[in-house]
Amino acid sequence: KAGVTQTPRYLIKTRGQQVTLSCSPISGHRSVSWYQQTPGQGLQFLFEYFSETQRNKGNFPGRFSGRQFSNSRSEMNVSTLELGDSALYLCASSLRGTSGENTQYFGPGTRLTVL
Amino acid sequence: AQRVTQPEKLLSVFKGAPVELKCNYSYSGSPELFWYVQYSRQRLQLLLRHISRESIKGFTADLNKGETSFHLKKPFAQEEDSAMYYCALGTYNTDKLIFGTGTRLQVFP
Repeated sequence: KAGVTQTPRYLIKTRGQQVTLSCSPISGHRSVSWYQQTPGQGLQFLFEYFSETQRNKGNFPGRFSGRQFSNSRSEMNVSTLELGDSALYLCASSLRGTSGENTQYFGPGTRLTVL
Repeated sequence: AQRVTQPEKLLSVFKGAPVELKCNYSYSGSPELFWYVQYSRQRLQLLLRHISRESIKGFTADLNKGETSFHLKKPFAQEEDSAMYYCALGTYNTDKLIFGTGTRLQVFP
């Protein structure tokens, strides 16, 4: 099976712009989670989606939003970008919800740089 | 509050030496604990989960609820074990993971 894929892999934006990142989970996985990874804060949970519903949200401002489509693909959006949003954004998928199996498989990440 | 603490940022050992990467957690409910590893230029991947009670690549980890710890151990470190190791806390019936800050393990020849 193909692993979790994320597009684009690298992105450069300027302050005030918005950005959309995409994640395709492993085939059959219905749960998708997003994390932000920075040198200062480490890995922080952003949101979790299952069957197109947000089940959990981390402690991030409303500029960070996401959604999940019927095919389980997910997108996250960051509006009004700030310099501090520069980070590696990781997506993970799992089978949870179908068999209870909750091992999460991570994608390679999207490296966002805000100038 | 849910929290994971990895006190060591860097752990350096020589090949063949025992390794113990420490992880302590804070959670009022029934925890699910994981160890994830990130090798250089590779994606984050699961190494161990406490409910499996298995040994992967010679690593083991035992959940100690009394000490709220989930330390990762290996009796004889190998150079290929050099990587970043993250301890993570999962909560019941969600995929939300709370990660520790990670420990970089360096194994010298």
